[in-house]
Amino acid sequence: DIQMTQSPSTLSASVGDRVTITCRASQNINSWLAWYQQKPGRGPKLLIFQASNLESGVPSRFSGSGSGTEFTLTISSLQPDDFATYYCQQYNSYTYNFGQGTKLEIK
Amino acid sequence: QVQLQESGPGLVRPSETLSLTCTVSGGSTSSYFWSWIRQPPGKELEWIGSMYYTGSTNNYNPSLKSRVTISVDTTSNQISLKLRSVTSADTAVYYCARDRGHCGDVCYPEYFFDLWGQGTLVAVSS
Repeated sequence: DIQMTQSPSTLSASVGDRVTITCRASQNINSWLAWYQQKPGRGPKLLIFQASNLESGVPSRFSGSGSGTEFTLTISSLQPDDFATYYCQQYNSYTYNFGQGTKLEIK
Repeated sequence: QVQLQESGPGLVRPSETLSLTCTVSGGSTSSYFWSWIRQPPGKELEWIGSMYYTGSTNNYNPSLKSRVTISVDTTSNQISLKLRSVTSADTAVYYCARDRGHCGDVCYPEYFFDLWGQGTLVAVSS
């Protein structure tokens, strides 16, 4: 199985900050990576697919980049609604693993 | 808008069968792949399996394949999950999710998920 490792596990930031979350794959997954946002009591929400494609309806302050084994999710200017947990997921191969999550907290 | 809602028992006895239903409202099960994903307490999200709405394509996590059945009922707009012979390791929040797939002459799942239910917690305990 491909292992997905996110860093940091927790990130404290303020409204207006630019933040970056990193996701590393244990082997090459090309660009087959998705990013999700999850809030308490709700299912994850798709933000980015194929590493850099913004899902319809997602604000343009979210962006994704990377290929191969290293990927980043960037939020250009944090808004109050963005404080949540973020997950990456590889869909290059079985078993479509997720990262352990990055909790974005208010500083 | 389209919404997914999981339902089923919150407590299942060890060795019994976990049965969950996902109801699609505001839309249809047709033309999509449907998946179940779970998250044990304090652990990562884990893909359980996926099925095309016609039942023609299904794919399961090898670690669960011998115990899992996913089915889609287009008339009732529901997706079901059955997990047999459960143990405490199956305690988790279970999510249903939609995979919009990629279609040419044939449709294939993408294995990323554009719509999720809110999840339902199932505990396995005697």
